[in-house]
Amino acid sequence: NAGVTQTPKFQVLKTGQSMTLQCAQDMNHNSMYWYRQDPGMGLRLIYYSASEGTTDKGEVPNGYNVSRLNKREFSLRLESAAPSQTSVYFCASKQGTQNTEAFFGQGTRLTVV
Amino acid sequence: DQQVKQNSPSLSVQEGRISILNCDYTNSMFDYFLWYKKYPAEGPTFLISISSIKDKNEDGRFTVFLNKSAKHLSLHIVPSQPGDSAVYFCAARRPTTDKLIFGTGTRLQVFP
Repeated sequence: NAGVTQTPKFQVLKTGQSMTLQCAQDMNHNSMYWYRQDPGMGLRLIYYSASEGTTDKGEVPNGYNVSRLNKREFSLRLESAAPSQTSVYFCASKQGTQNTEAFFGQGTRLTVV
Repeated sequence: DQQVKQNSPSLSVQEGRISILNCDYTNSMFDYFLWYKKYPAEGPTFLISISSIKDKNEDGRFTVFLNKSAKHLSLHIVPSQPGDSAVYFCAARRPTTDKLIFGTGTRLQVFP
């Protein structure tokens, strides 16, 4: 059981380049999330999706776009990367509005130079 | 506007003693609270949770207390073990949207 899989694990981008972070879950979960973790800032919600076909902004959505391609996959796109987007990105999924926990992927360490 | 706050960035506790990690929230609409543990270079892993209709939930060495009137929850670890050394995040959920908001984390170090 793979759980939540993120690709890539590491990435270095130049300022202005674009890229898409991929996330897939095999637990048939309805809700999916993208967070970024920065020192002293904790885990901040970028975007989330409560169900296939719906997405909503979190706490820090600027500079990002998301796509809930199907129930399994939730991708995060940086259209024009900036050094301020250097961070560790985590994808998570959750069963839905029930009182259950979210499961996290292993993270993507992104450096923008 | 930080809706979930962990005001202690770090905590150091001797092995065998109790560790108490605190978390405050501002939004009274939150209905479900969770604690996660995170080791370096790994994703956060779920530890324990509590519904807003309860004031205590216990799982082995871990107990979470919720004080709704104070908008405060705490995680008690007793006895603390060196393997508990990690960063601990509290999280709160808004119902209907299933939006999960995390705090800034507390780094716990348990020393022998």
